[in-house]
Amino acid sequence: GEDVEQSLFLSVREGDSSVINCTYTDSSSTYLYWYKQEPGAGLQLLTYIFSNMDMKQDQRLTVLLNKKDKHLSLRIADTQTGDSAIYFCAEKKGSASKIIFGSGTRLSIRP
Amino acid sequence: NAGVTQTPKFQVLKTGQSMTLQCAQDMNHNSMYWYRQDPGMGLRLIYYSASEGTTDKGEVPNGYNVSRLNKREFSLRLESAAPSQTSVYFCASSDRLAGGLNEQFFGPGTRLTVL
Repeated sequence: GEDVEQSLFLSVREGDSSVINCTYTDSSSTYLYWYKQEPGAGLQLLTYIFSNMDMKQDQRLTVLLNKKDKHLSLRIADTQTGDSAIYFCAEKKGSASKIIFGSGTRLSIRP
Repeated sequence: NAGVTQTPKFQVLKTGQSMTLQCAQDMNHNSMYWYRQDPGMGLRLIYYSASEGTTDKGEVPNGYNVSRLNKREFSLRLESAAPSQTSVYFCASSDRLAGGLNEQFFGPGTRLTVL
């Protein structure tokens, strides 16, 4: 199947860590992505991980990949108000041009 | 570089009217895509063009047609608009590198309402 699943909402307190989870179904996926969509804008690539990696860290962002469970997570440390957005998990299979997107998780930050 | 541009930004149509959404990219990308975004449904691929001269159906092609006019431009046409086509439409482009990252660059979107 091609489903990529995410929970729809997450609310965290400013300064805490946010963890956004995603499950995918295709074990042949080569790249897995996190895209960010700010209000009224298109999506932008936030970070990605290649399927032969377990973890990738980039400043406040940590991506964890569990291939056995087909589970991907994005951790944002020290969450700020500017992190309020919708975060999309996505996967690419082999050499295909297509990317399959999840439904998106809306992250809201409370003071 | 403007990146990916889309026109119009907003449009209201009556049921049965037709219109074309325009998309252009200035990054010399080979592949271009049209998505629709609906609440709780995420992004769904309507059509894509892996390279100039080719187009393929995505997940939800019914009611739409596309034209890859040249390497820069990829248009989406609604021949007879229906209320179910009320959505936000995004165009995207990417380099087509076999086995590569395939980062997609998105336009700002067109918000379409069909009454």
